[in-house]
Amino acid sequence: DIVLTQTPLSSPVTLGQPASISCNSSQSLVQSDGNTYLSWLQQRPGQPPRLLIYKISNRFSGVPDRFSGSGAGTDFTLKINRVEAEDVGVYYCLQATQFPPMYTFGQGTKLEI
Amino acid sequence: QVHLQESGPGLVKPSETLSLICTVSGGSIKSYYWSWIRQSPGRGPEWIGYFFYTMRAWYNPSLEGRVTISADMSKNQLSLRLTSVTASDTAVYYCAKLWGNDAFDLWGHGTMVTVSS
Repeated sequence: DIVLTQTPLSSPVTLGQPASISCNSSQSLVQSDGNTYLSWLQQRPGQPPRLLIYKISNRFSGVPDRFSGSGAGTDFTLKINRVEAEDVGVYYCLQATQFPPMYTFGQGTKLEI
Repeated sequence: QVHLQESGPGLVKPSETLSLICTVSGGSIKSYYWSWIRQSPGRGPEWIGYFFYTMRAWYNPSLEGRVTISADMSKNQLSLRLTSVTASDTAVYYCAKLWGNDAFDLWGHGTMVTVSS
């Protein structure tokens, strides 16, 4: 089974400063089709998760460009260019395996001002 | 614009069956892949399974044997059944739409289910 480990678990940040979250996989996430299905989601307090980034580095519709994703193989990073107050919440990485289908979330990183 | 709304009992007794409905509005349930995902208090989400109307459903191996996902096309509703529940099944249950095959781009607001006698 693939395990995603996020670091840090909690990240105090300063408004206007950058923030970075890492996601490490227990095995390579490169699929047989050559794609890597690693995405990032944000969960604000009391809300369902919201998709930010898919396939490592693609911003989903409506996501501000201060969010960016990078990485390959087993190591991935979500960066926030300049943290804003609305960015407070828990961030999860998510991997998708195509066959048999399986989706695994990281344990989450709490971003707090 | 597609909208998802989960509904069902908020309290289920141990060893009984949890049954939830997700009503899809603003789009056809036949157009997309759908998943159920749950989140226990203070923990990360856990994928339960997914459904597409022309295929068999696929489930998380950790829940295989206890879980069934199906749909009522006439009502545009997705359903979840989880049998023999225990306290560890206490969670917020979400239905979600798959983006491509690899990410969840639309979520319902979730429904809290507590397993307790």
